[in-house]
Amino acid sequence: DAKTTQPPSMDCAEGRAANLPCNHSTISGNEYVYWYRQIHSQGPQYIIHGLKNNETNEMASLIITEDRKSSTLILPHATLRDTAVYYCIVSNPSGNMLTFGGGTRLMVKP
Amino acid sequence: DADVTQTPRNRITKTGKRIMLECSQTKGHDRMYWYRQDPGLGLRLIYYSFDVKDINKGEISDGYSVSRQAQAKFSLSLESAIPNQTALYFCATSDPRTGKFNEQFFGPGTRLTVL
Repeated sequence: DAKTTQPPSMDCAEGRAANLPCNHSTISGNEYVYWYRQIHSQGPQYIIHGLKNNETNEMASLIITEDRKSSTLILPHATLRDTAVYYCIVSNPSGNMLTFGGGTRLMVKP
Repeated sequence: DADVTQTPRNRITKTGKRIMLECSQTKGHDRMYWYRQDPGLGLRLIYYSFDVKDINKGEISDGYSVSRQAQAKFSLSLESAIPNQTALYFCATSDPRTGKFNEQFFGPGTRLTVL
């Protein structure tokens, strides 16, 4: 699976959009981009995933660049409860595991 | 929700002791996983199982063994615990039939301390 690069930390004001970038320049054609988050020491939680089209669900939006070498997770109206570590993971359909890197620690501030 | 449960939630043990961590799920998923997380780092895969008769090593299986007793149960054993196995352990499940082949559902974790 391709490697991902994320900033180690970011801050966001409560109520504003949080935009979390991820670089995956070596992504292959059949690899998907998955996003998970981990609040404090709880088990990670699935947020969203995509292949090449932008995706939106009740939690977030995922914007993937046309060349698929990077993506951005958008939390449209961040709340204090969104403070967590966010992991960007690249995985292919035949892959058997999620490879977690260091992630981005998002701090939402009042 | 409590679809994936882990027992115990916290455990302190001594070097050389045998320890078993248990995972149960009510989601009806065939695939189950064990991960460990060290402070400040991401999760690393220890073992995974795609069904009762299928067991596979992950990235860091040395020093660990697993047992898939039933579709709903997947146990992780440390035959002779050592201090560098002190970590947070997570169990997870997934069901590729949903189309989200890597949407995994995690348990609450077991904090293990080996003295």
